[in-house]
Amino acid sequence: EAGVAQSPRYKIIEKRQSVAFWCNPISGHATLYWYQQILGQGPKLLIQFQNNGVVDDSQLPKDRFSAERLKGVDSTLKIQPAKLEDSAVYLCASSGLATEAFFGQGTRLTVV
Amino acid sequence: KQEVTQIPAALSVPEGENLVLNCSFTDSAIYNLQWFRQDPGKGLTSLLLIQSSQREQTSGRLNASLDKSSGRSTLYIAASQPGDSATYLCAVRPGNAGNMLTFGGGTRLMVKP
Repeated sequence: EAGVAQSPRYKIIEKRQSVAFWCNPISGHATLYWYQQILGQGPKLLIQFQNNGVVDDSQLPKDRFSAERLKGVDSTLKIQPAKLEDSAVYLCASSGLATEAFFGQGTRLTVV
Repeated sequence: KQEVTQIPAALSVPEGENLVLNCSFTDSAIYNLQWFRQDPGKGLTSLLLIQSSQREQTSGRLNASLDKSSGRSTLYIAASQPGDSATYLCAVRPGNAGNMLTFGGGTRLMVKP
């Protein structure tokens, strides 16, 4: 069974630039999550989709972050404009309903 | 709001020791709890999933227990090896089976040869 795929693995951008991350979940998983993990901390939920609808985006900085999940499968997360404090690992995960969650390898973003 | 705490934040042990990692959560109304392992620069690997009706789950040298009423879970690692060195994270799902996972800050484990 293929796992959760994310790209790119690494990205370095200057502050005020924009960046986009892509995630392909495990086939058949209705729930897709985007987490932000700052070095030395646990992951923090940014947004959760159920199929192509948003379930929870209460911690998403909506003035600069946006996410979509077209057709209930792949998802993209965008930051525009980026700030220095956005430097983190962005993790995508998927699961069935209340079942085991599986994570991708993450995208390490460095904003300089 | 659910809060998850993991103690200790870091742990260093000699190879061969049995060890216990702790996870506590403030709202005992959970649906399930999941333990993950994270290697440096990598994503999270699922280790064990415990449903709220279960008391423990085992996989190889790993055993996870759950005491929902007291808001605690422990991950027991038997006969630790240098390859077990990683960060271990626990995450809980709310009791309404909503799919949101709330994570603790993790325990960084180093097993010395």
